[in-house]
Amino acid sequence: ELKVEQNPLFLSMQEGKNYTIYCNYSTTSDRLYWYRQDPGKSLESLFVLLSNGAVKQEGRLMASLDTKARLSTLHITAAVHDLSATYFCAVDTHGAGTALIFGKGTTLSVSS
Amino acid sequence: SAVISQKPSRDICQRGTSLTIQCQVDSQVTMMFWYRQQPGQSLTLIATANQGSEATYESGFVIDKFPISRPNLTFSTLTVSNMSPEDSSIYLCSSQEGEQFFGPGTRLTVL
Repeated sequence: ELKVEQNPLFLSMQEGKNYTIYCNYSTTSDRLYWYRQDPGKSLESLFVLLSNGAVKQEGRLMASLDTKARLSTLHITAAVHDLSATYFCAVDTHGAGTALIFGKGTTLSVSS
Repeated sequence: SAVISQKPSRDICQRGTSLTIQCQVDSQVTMMFWYRQQPGQSLTLIATANQGSEATYESGFVIDKFPISRPNLTFSTLTVSNMSPEDSSIYLCSSQEGEQFFGPGTRLTVL
């Protein structure tokens, strides 16, 4: 059974601090996705990681992929309140172009 | 990136009734997907909709409850049939062309 596990599920951070969200998956998929969801909103695509060792950065967020360990990380640098949201990782169920299986999500709350 | 719209954006329905959700993509796409997001939960795949063939349903979802149409490469509908309060969720459609993009979702409340 395909599984995608995220931790932590809830994260309360102070502004200016750094933290990492972890995503482990059981499939051999080489593509991993990170999405952001604000309350009451749909999913916003953050990163698509396509190969082992891939690293992508956008602002205060950096995502990486280790396909050998079946692990992706989403690192938050110097958190700000605007980053408060739920973050999901997901992988293709049967290879590229197929449906995604999602982790449970990490709800991030950044306070001053 | 594909732009996806859904109608309605939200609805409140009585138990026992049915609701059809429409999903429109601004470009032709091979694969479209329907997901459900129950309150406070992650996304669960309902089915994959390919144009010209029957939808493929995931375990726990059946065609009688969630009939899907895919008449062309830019449009799909999902019907939630004989609704009960347990069907209260956000229903999202998505398309996969390189990466997967999501519509804004339909927030359904069943009383």
